[in-house]
Amino acid sequence: GAVVSQHPSWVICKSGTSVKIECRSLDFQATTMFWYRQFPKQSLMLMATSNEGSKATYEQGVEKDKFLINHASLTLSTLTVTSAHPEDSSFYICSATEIGTEAFFGQGTRLTVV
Amino acid sequence: RKEVEQDPGPFNVPEGATVAFNCTYSNSASQSFFWYRQDCRKEPKLLMSVYSSGNEDGRFTAQLNRASQYISLLIRDSKLSDSATYLCVVKTGNQFYFGTGTSLTVIP
Repeated sequence: GAVVSQHPSWVICKSGTSVKIECRSLDFQATTMFWYRQFPKQSLMLMATSNEGSKATYEQGVEKDKFLINHASLTLSTLTVTSAHPEDSSFYICSATEIGTEAFFGQGTRLTVV
Repeated sequence: RKEVEQDPGPFNVPEGATVAFNCTYSNSASQSFFWYRQDCRKEPKLLMSVYSSGNEDGRFTAQLNRASQYISLLIRDSKLSDSATYLCVVKTGNQFYFGTGTSLTVIP
């Protein structure tokens, strides 16, 4: 089945630094990728929808200048958390979809900002 | 109103029990429906798609009622390994909307 690879799986960074997370579709072309954040014991919260070759669409309350999304190709989308702070610590998950199929998820990235 | 409403539980059931999860969605134009399973600190994984005619996969049965905008998942003969969070997911247009997830713990 379709596979989505997300990297890194976990990262610890200092407050004020930036962290880039990659999401790759390995055996299909993903015209649309989604970025989610999940806090402990809560459901996935959609942050933004990323379409290849165009600007991402951010959900209300998500700062686009803080969470930079780039979807430069049909197989790669990146999320950069800029000037990270401890409250940005969370589980970030990407998903990708081919037209007409279910969503396939990356393994997730556990970000800890210290 | 939320796109998807789901009882968060938790459900604590003994091994061998039958348990049912329910989910409602608000947009009648939603076209695809899924149940995902998420283990602690892991990504969600597709458990099964949900079709209007209902579908069964072993001990798992999923049903969709479009008129009531309601989705259900039935697990029979619960196993310890069924302990997880079950997410109801609704696809509307190109967007996926997630329920809050229902936590299930199967007790020996």
